[in-house]
Amino acid sequence: EVQLVESGGGLVQPGGSLRLSCAASGFTFSSYWMSWVRQAPGKGLEWVANIKHDGSEKYYVDSVKGRFTISRDNAKNSLYLQMNNLRAEDTAVYYCARVPPSRGWNPYFDCWGQGTLVTVSS
Amino acid sequence: DIVMTQSPDSLAVSLGERATVNCKSSQSVLDSSNNKNYLAWYQQKPGQPPKLLIYWASTRESGVPDRFSGSGSGTDFTLTISSLQAEDVAVYFCQQYYGIPYTFGQGTKLEIK
Repeated sequence: EVQLVESGGGLVQPGGSLRLSCAASGFTFSSYWMSWVRQAPGKGLEWVANIKHDGSEKYYVDSVKGRFTISRDNAKNSLYLQMNNLRAEDTAVYYCARVPPSRGWNPYFDCWGQGTLVTVSS
Repeated sequence: DIVMTQSPDSLAVSLGERATVNCKSSQSVLDSSNNKNYLAWYQQKPGQPPKLLIYWASTRESGVPDRFSGSGSGTDFTLTISSLQAEDVAVYFCQQYYGIPYTFGQGTKLEIK
């Protein structure tokens, strides 16, 4: 069974940092592009970042460029999101999502984790 | 950015009746080189992550009941539930994956009348 389990969320002050993790199981993690998608409380979905299966390509939404870094460790079947200089508008549930094979550059998302809540507030 | 606009924001449909959700993109998401529309639909139930229902505008994901169907091309798309079941109460989102940033509609909340 495919599983994605996020962790690392919590309360952080504006300007602070947080590192999210996503543990993957039930599939060959190293063969898939992966993404982070977020959802502000009671709001819609926003794609945040993508990473190629080997980590050689990364893409971001403009609002997080220069502040967030997506990475992965295929040996540990794990995806990460390093979030720096956090703002109140980054408050959201962050989902780890899998991209189907060969859809890396034009992804939809076929599996999602349960999400981890990040709250940016003083 | 491609803006995705769904309508209505919410709707109430009787059990067994048809439910229709619309999604309009600010520019075409049809790739003329392969004649594919880069449009997906998701279902999100309360307290759960989104679930993929439809991709390529009309291809049903494995395991999705056949009462769910997608249609449309270019800029105008529709998700239809042919006979509403109680378990279909959810928020439905469309998403374009034609270009970065990949964007979602604001969601349509579906309830039972």
